Amino acid sequence: DSGVTQTPKHLITATGQRVTLRCSPRSGDLSVYWYQQSLDQGLQFLIHYYNGEERAKGNILERFSAQQFPDLHSELNLSSLELGDSALYFCASSLRGDTEAFFGQGTRLTVV
Amino acid sequence: LAKTTQPISMDSYEGQEVNITCSHNNIATNDYITWYQQFPSQGPRFIIQGYKTKVTNEVASLFIPADRKSSTLSLPRVSLSDTAVYYCLVGGAYGGSQGNLIFGKGTKLSVKP
Repeated sequence: DSGVTQTPKHLITATGQRVTLRCSPRSGDLSVYWYQQSLDQGLQFLIHYYNGEERAKGNILERFSAQQFPDLHSELNLSSLELGDSALYFCASSLRGDTEAFFGQGTRLTVV
Repeated sequence: LAKTTQPISMDSYEGQEVNITCSHNNIATNDYITWYQQFPSQGPRFIIQGYKTKVTNEVASLFIPADRKSSTLSLPRVSLSDTAVYYCLVGGAYGGSQGNLIFGKGTKLSVKP
């Protein structure tokens, strides 16, 4: 158990819908990263938050947005969903950007 | 960010030593070399990090030559449970750099009985 909690574990939704994925980092960790991993694909870095502020942005679509709240949990919002958005979405946390990152178990999103 | 190149896949048998090499010709003076392991449908986990020479822990060893343009992750006596994707990252400590924690495509290791 990495200490990073992601909910829900599985999510099935229809095209055009909007979903919210939630990540609770390890106690004390200030950094939260989000990744997308499609079938047989590598981990695509989406976005990094540090202590509530956006720190770096990767290949995140405009339909996707994220935020980190004062209690340090983070949410990834995916809207106008397409079939191609079906993937595993991972959240990771670390104390700060240069310390070990711990990953959650992921949320498997299926868009039908 | 220093670009890394590693084999797409490798096969091995139980009990063998596996060496996975990562090339990083443009590594910067302050860069660390970090390896993560990812099992199917799980998030990656940190396994080892080094700056130069050799680092060993209970899971693996990391060999880094003097020019630091490559590194080799060594897994002693692999078992079926070592079947996973192994990622080499070059950047700040634990792979982070300029706010990013970027993973390449990794090396898919398949261990056979």
